[in-house]
Amino acid sequence: AQSVTQLDSQVPVFEEAPVELRCNYSSSVSVYLFWYVQYPNQGLQLLLKYLSGSTLVKGINGFEAEFNKSQTSFHLRKPSVHISDTAEYFCAVFSSGAGSYQLTFGKGTKLSVIP
Amino acid sequence: DGGITQSPKYLFRKEGQNVTLSCEQNLNHDAMYWYRQDPGQGLRLIYYSQIVNDFQKGDIAEGYSVSREKKESFPLTVTSAQKNPTAFYLCASSPGLAGGNTQYFGPGTRLTVL
Repeated sequence: AQSVTQLDSQVPVFEEAPVELRCNYSSSVSVYLFWYVQYPNQGLQLLLKYLSGSTLVKGINGFEAEFNKSQTSFHLRKPSVHISDTAEYFCAVFSSGAGSYQLTFGKGTKLSVIP
Repeated sequence: DGGITQSPKYLFRKEGQNVTLSCEQNLNHDAMYWYRQDPGQGLRLIYYSQIVNDFQKGDIAEGYSVSREKKESFPLTVTSAQKNPTAFYLCASSPGLAGGNTQYFGPGTRLTVL
């Protein structure tokens, strides 16, 4: 069975500082990796995804993530955060499995940007 | 505008009552999903549907039921058998069930059992 670990439940950071939100996964097969963002009392919105090819993936709002197969990680980064980035961020992993749908979400990281 | 709508936004239920949450999409997507979100728990899959008149149980289907009679609609019924139904419920859709597809989410329904 696959699992997703988001290592930090809360991350406070000052405005214009860089941030990294960490995500590790476990899966014995090839995977697709996603980062979603959720603003308060709203649904989730895709930030970026890795399917294949270049391990550095660029997404919306200036975010990027790097797939590291040897470390089974997919950390999300932004070089300079804004107040509007305050939200909860979810890492998700899909791995192929016979006869079932397996998209697993992490428990989320709440990013708080401090003015 | 294309998207997913969920109604109602807030729902209150007395213990022992069944309630139905609505989910409609106009994205022409084949696949639809229902998730439950609890604080600090991430999203857990309740049911998913790959195509009309077909649906599969997810990780936490007990106490829930769904139907998929139309491509654009995927209502979720929370039955009295669900022991702890208070949660935020999210509906999503994607072009197909393949893993690389992006899921598009509705705004959610917050259910509270009184």
